[in-house]
Amino acid sequence: GENVEQHPSTLSVQEGDSAVIKCTYSDSASNYFPWYKQELGKGPQLIIDIRSNVGEKKDQRIAVTLNKTAKHFSLHITETQPEDSAVYFCAASKGNFNKFYFGSGTKLNVKP
Amino acid sequence: GAGVSQSPSNKVTEKGKDVELRCDPISGHTALYWYRQSLGQGLEFLIYFQGNSAPDKSGLPSDRFSAERTGGSVSTLTIQRTQQEDSAVYLCASSLAHSGDTQYFGPGTRLTVL
Repeated sequence: GENVEQHPSTLSVQEGDSAVIKCTYSDSASNYFPWYKQELGKGPQLIIDIRSNVGEKKDQRIAVTLNKTAKHFSLHITETQPEDSAVYFCAASKGNFNKFYFGSGTKLNVKP
Repeated sequence: GAGVSQSPSNKVTEKGKDVELRCDPISGHTALYWYRQSLGQGLEFLIYFQGNSAPDKSGLPSDRFSAERTGGSVSTLTIQRTQQEDSAVYLCASSLAHSGDTQYFGPGTRLTVL
């Protein structure tokens, strides 16, 4: 089955700096890679996703890059703000999308 | 509109008791997922329902776990003879279809087995 690894487990940055979270996956058949943000006491919320036919996707301050050859994808947050503080999860899924494999999460702390 | 709702929000039970966790998906969403999130961990897939198709139960950790979805809407996750290691947050998500549409998560049920 698929194995998704996520690093780092915790990340502390100064407000205004950039943050990068990386994930690797094992199954070359995976073709859909969403990123979720989870605030305390809430369920995860999709913030951006990428499909395997695209190398990069950007939405305002967040971007995701995908390297299919190396089987890794990354989340980039620029100009971080305190409200970006949360736990971020990456995930991978195959074409039938019936099963998503999640990374172990990254706790991001943005210091004002 | 209303999002995914789950009940109860918190459940404390004694070891050996059965528990039922409920998920109300977004109206019209045909796909429904259950996940388990242990403290400080990622999400572990449990089961997936899609329309009237047979559910994918491959993530259920033991035969003490079962789930059903009545009328293609509300779903109930049942854990029989609970064990302390079942303590976790149980999350439900729904999506419009299974073609990679966004999963919308509920707030979860925090289960504590004493």
